[in-house]
Amino acid sequence: NAGVTQTPKFQVLKTGQSMTLQCAQDMNHEYMSWYRQDPGMGLRLIHYSVGAGITDQGEVPNGYNVSRSTTEDFPLRLLSAAPSQTSVYFCASTRGGYSYNEQFFGPGTRLTVL
Amino acid sequence: AQTVTQSQPEMSVQEAETVTLSCTYDTSESNYYLFWYKQPPSRQMILVIRQEAYKQQNATENRFSVNFQKAAKSFSLKISDSQLGDTAMYFCAFMKHVNGAARQLTFGSGTQLTVLP
Repeated sequence: NAGVTQTPKFQVLKTGQSMTLQCAQDMNHEYMSWYRQDPGMGLRLIHYSVGAGITDQGEVPNGYNVSRSTTEDFPLRLLSAAPSQTSVYFCASTRGGYSYNEQFFGPGTRLTVL
Repeated sequence: AQTVTQSQPEMSVQEAETVTLSCTYDTSESNYYLFWYKQPPSRQMILVIRQEAYKQQNATENRFSVNFQKAAKSFSLKISDSQLGDTAMYFCAFMKHVNGAARQLTFGSGTQLTVLP
């Protein structure tokens, strides 16, 4: 198993450009989520999905779009990048169900918006 | 909404010594999970230890143990026999009890721990 993979690892954008951060998992996990990590603020939830076709907003969703067409993939889209979106982005996944299951994190994408 | 507070932005400890990282949280939930995650310079998020709120016994994983005080809403991490590889950012995190859909983690701002040789 590759676990949770994210591409790219690093990206530099200019203000106003668009891009998609890719996230994929090969563990057949129902639940996937995106977090951003900023200095001094820990990780904050952007969007999450409880299964294919179902997404919802987290704490800081503005400026980001997501979709979940397959169980494996959960891309995060920036339609018009802003300097405030400079951050490290983490994707995570876990199994669904009523018992606790560990969340697995991807290696992160460092995004800089100039 | 839940909040998690880590009041120690940076800490250092001598190799082989013991260090305790503090975490407090605020919630109206009665059932929840608490976690400590480690983030080394590689940026990878690594689960260190987990505590279920309904369990009175403090969780232990090898050199890592917690002091869970539910009434005080306190959740500290003790690292014994500190090793150079323990140098990392440590995050305290909260997750309300699993209900079949919610898996959101709420993180504290982190404590940068440096183990000195």
